[in-house]
Amino acid sequence: DAGITQSPRHKVTETGTPVTLRCHQTENHRYMYWYRQDPGHGLRLIHYSYGVKDTDKGEVSDGYSVSRSKTEDFLLTLESATSSQTSVYFCAINRRGQGRTEAFFGQGTRLTVV
Amino acid sequence: SQQGEEDPQALSIQEGENATMNCSYKTSINNLQWYRQNSGRGLVHLILIRSNEREKHSGRLRVTLDTSKKSSSLLITASRAADTASYFCATDAGSGGSNYKLTFGKGTLLTVNP
Repeated sequence: DAGITQSPRHKVTETGTPVTLRCHQTENHRYMYWYRQDPGHGLRLIHYSYGVKDTDKGEVSDGYSVSRSKTEDFLLTLESATSSQTSVYFCAINRRGQGRTEAFFGQGTRLTVV
Repeated sequence: SQQGEEDPQALSIQEGENATMNCSYKTSINNLQWYRQNSGRGLVHLILIRSNEREKHSGRLRVTLDTSKKSSSLLITASRAADTASYFCATDAGSGGSNYKLTFGKGTLLTVNP
């Protein structure tokens, strides 16, 4: 599992409340990613990070913010959760060494916004 | 919009048969990767094929890449019930440096019946 831990694994929250999801890695990789997975849409990139304090937007970044103050932690925040953000969220790292390589995923966080 | 699109969306076969899934993409790529996802789990990398390669094998997996048609196929030979999962293609089209991210398709759900 490449030492990736997502927390929490399940969360139910109310519309309008802030929510933070955490991704923790133990292998000091530079690249980290947040995806959401929805039926009929596959995986869509929300935000990614290429180093401490270096982040960029993905294709579905509206309503989400991220922070990376330490190499090992990548936080995804929903400032004011909406029902459309009900989804399964996956964190991933890339073991990019001498060349581009594959991504390794966490087990996912199932978020329900009611 | 998403880079990769898998076809078919769902495939049901009998154990022992071969399963073929296709992926089409839109822009030039550095490499194309296939991932597998068991229900409720994170994605697991299966195989990577670089843009200058045409075919690659790994165990019962065979991947082809046709950059002129912007398409790839994944063949699983002698399928087993344990191969039942969703399969996703992902493309790396980044220009290097900080711009390294994978774009996933919507996936093919493969069901292998005993």
